[in-house]
Amino acid sequence: GQQLNQSPQSMFIQEGEDVSMNCTSSSIFNTWLWYKQDPGEGPVLLIALYKAGELTSNGRLTAQFGITRKDSFLNISASIPSDVGIYFCAGHNNAGNMLTFGGGTRLMVKP
Amino acid sequence: DTGVSQDPRHKITKRGQNVTFRCDPISEHNRLYWYRQTLGQGPEFLTYFQNEAQLEKSRLLSDRFSAERPKGSFSTLEIQRTEQGDSAMYLCASSPARFGNYGYTFGSGTRLTVV
Repeated sequence: GQQLNQSPQSMFIQEGEDVSMNCTSSSIFNTWLWYKQDPGEGPVLLIALYKAGELTSNGRLTAQFGITRKDSFLNISASIPSDVGIYFCAGHNNAGNMLTFGGGTRLMVKP
Repeated sequence: DTGVSQDPRHKITKRGQNVTFRCDPISEHNRLYWYRQTLGQGPEFLTYFQNEAQLEKSRLLSDRFSAERPKGSFSTLEIQRTEQGDSAMYLCASSPARFGNYGYTFGSGTRLTVV
């Protein structure tokens, strides 16, 4: 089963608002990634984080790799309707080549 | 389009039938992964290939599941004697074999419905 806990499970916000979502784990990960998935499509990589404490931006998106290596957050500033979708965190540790995904945060944006 | 391609996009099958899905990775990527995603959940790892070698298999991959990548290019995932619990989105992903690169590219998936 899933080892990553994402919160919130869903968010319904007004266009222009900032959004924050996070992901926690009971175990350490060495890489954290954030993906967005649109209906009927595969996840698309947004941001990859490779070092504890790292803060990385990609346009209106900012993500941080927690210093304990057990958590990460994603912020979206000035949300727009096309931000609608499901956001997944994923972690990788040194045990194999698999990613472990969280359960996702469903974002809905009201114009 | 040089992304990851999966075929078919949708498959409806009767319980007990066998199904096979195909994945064509990005051409210069030698790592290939299969994940399964059920409704409302994140993807779950099934198996991983480096070139033609299948190097990891999840416990989710029961004896009814088999994956191949015969020439290190495309891959197939076969499910034998399908069950209703196999209904899910099957996602393929690929990545280059650079150390630390786990931000792989996913395909659009094959949605399987077992009736």
